[in-house]
Amino acid sequence: GAGVSQSPRYKVAKRGQDVALRCDPISGHVSLFWYQQALGQGPEFLTYFQNEAQLDKSGLPSDRFFAERPEGSVSTLKIQRTQQEDSAVYLCASSSVGGGRNEQFFGPGTRLTVL
Amino acid sequence: KQEVTQIPAALSVPEGENLVLNCSFTDSAIYNLQWFRQDPGKGLTSLLLIQSSQREQTSGRLNASLDKSSGRSTLYIAASQPGDSATYLCAVVRFDKLIFGTGTRLQVFP
Repeated sequence: GAGVSQSPRYKVAKRGQDVALRCDPISGHVSLFWYQQALGQGPEFLTYFQNEAQLDKSGLPSDRFFAERPEGSVSTLKIQRTQQEDSAVYLCASSSVGGGRNEQFFGPGTRLTVL
Repeated sequence: KQEVTQIPAALSVPEGENLVLNCSFTDSAIYNLQWFRQDPGKGLTSLLLIQSSQREQTSGRLNASLDKSSGRSTLYIAASQPGDSATYLCAVVRFDKLIFGTGTRLQVFP
């Protein structure tokens, strides 16, 4: 079956622009996670949804970052007024049950470059 | 605060060697530990998941062990192949989120 998909795969933005990154989780998966991976580092948690409810957003670095999952399936991560330090790979993962205790399946990521 | 460390940061070995990658974590109150593989420009592929009540998991040439009391996990790769070249990440689950180490970059040369 289809895995987690993300779009776009690559995004170049000028500093100050707004961007929107999309994640399509595995069909039927309850939990959805966003992670940020800087070059040479491990991924870092941003936010977690269980169905349409955003249960944890403690990892969002600033109020310029906003995530939503209005119908409990597709999710969008929006970054307003992008800055150079936002350059990273943004990874989405989904899990079949609530919580992060079960295996998380990752998408290919979106590489964001802010000039 | 949970911190995850992986040693070594990089490893280059000839084909056929048996390898051990190390992962340590500071807080033993974890739900599970997961090992991933990441190829350049790609997402993460799950290799093994060890529940907190388990001691080890095996899949093919891979074996992962978990010692919660000492805060350690090891990933054993038997008879390494050039196709095993990738970055290997370990992550612990605490409060519904994965906390990752910085990875071990492995190169297996023919």
